[in-house]
Amino acid sequence: EVQLVESGGGLVLPGRSLRLSCTVSGFTFADHAMHWVRQAPGKGLEWVSGINWNSATTGYADSVKGRFTISRDNAKNSLYLQMNSLTTEDTAFYYCVRNSYTYGSFDYWGQGTLVTVSS
Amino acid sequence: IQLTQSPSFLSASVGDRVTITCRASQVVSNYLAWYQQKPGKGPKLLIYAASTLQSGVPSRFSGSGSGSEFTLTISSLQPEDFATYYCQQLNTYPLTFGGGTKVEIK
Repeated sequence: EVQLVESGGGLVLPGRSLRLSCTVSGFTFADHAMHWVRQAPGKGLEWVSGINWNSATTGYADSVKGRFTISRDNAKNSLYLQMNSLTTEDTAFYYCVRNSYTYGSFDYWGQGTLVTVSS
Repeated sequence: IQLTQSPSFLSASVGDRVTITCRASQVVSNYLAWYQQKPGKGPKLLIYAASTLQSGVPSRFSGSGSGSEFTLTISSLQPEDFATYYCQQLNTYPLTFGGGTKVEIK
């Protein structure tokens, strides 16, 4: 069974940093690109960042470029999101997502971890 | 690329045929997916490549379109289908989602 489990969310002050982790099981992690997608409470979905299988290629939404860094450790079956200079606009549920082989669609999603940026 | 979904909200009854539209500001070929999200859960992939049903998804769901206009159709709405639906383009980075369509019980 494919599982993606996010951790690391919580309450953080504006301007501070937080690191999210996603541990996966049930598939060969190194075979897939991975993404982070976020959703502010009561709002729609926003793609945040993606990384290819060997970390050679990464991409970021304009809203987080220069502040967030995506990375992965294939030996540990883990995906990470380092978030710096957080603002209240970054408050959201953050989902770890697997990129499928077919047309790049997102075929498995974690349950999400909530990041709240507030003073 | 901006994706505009319509309607943003619809009220329907069990057994109704429901159609949701997604329009892209640029051509995305058939690199379009549809997702269903229920409260408190992560989204679930329903359709990819505009019209291909994801494994395990009931056949009452179907997708059509190409280029810049797409539709998701539920042929006979079931109680478990009341949820929010999103389209997503996978043709160009940054990847983008539509604003969502909430389907509620009439």
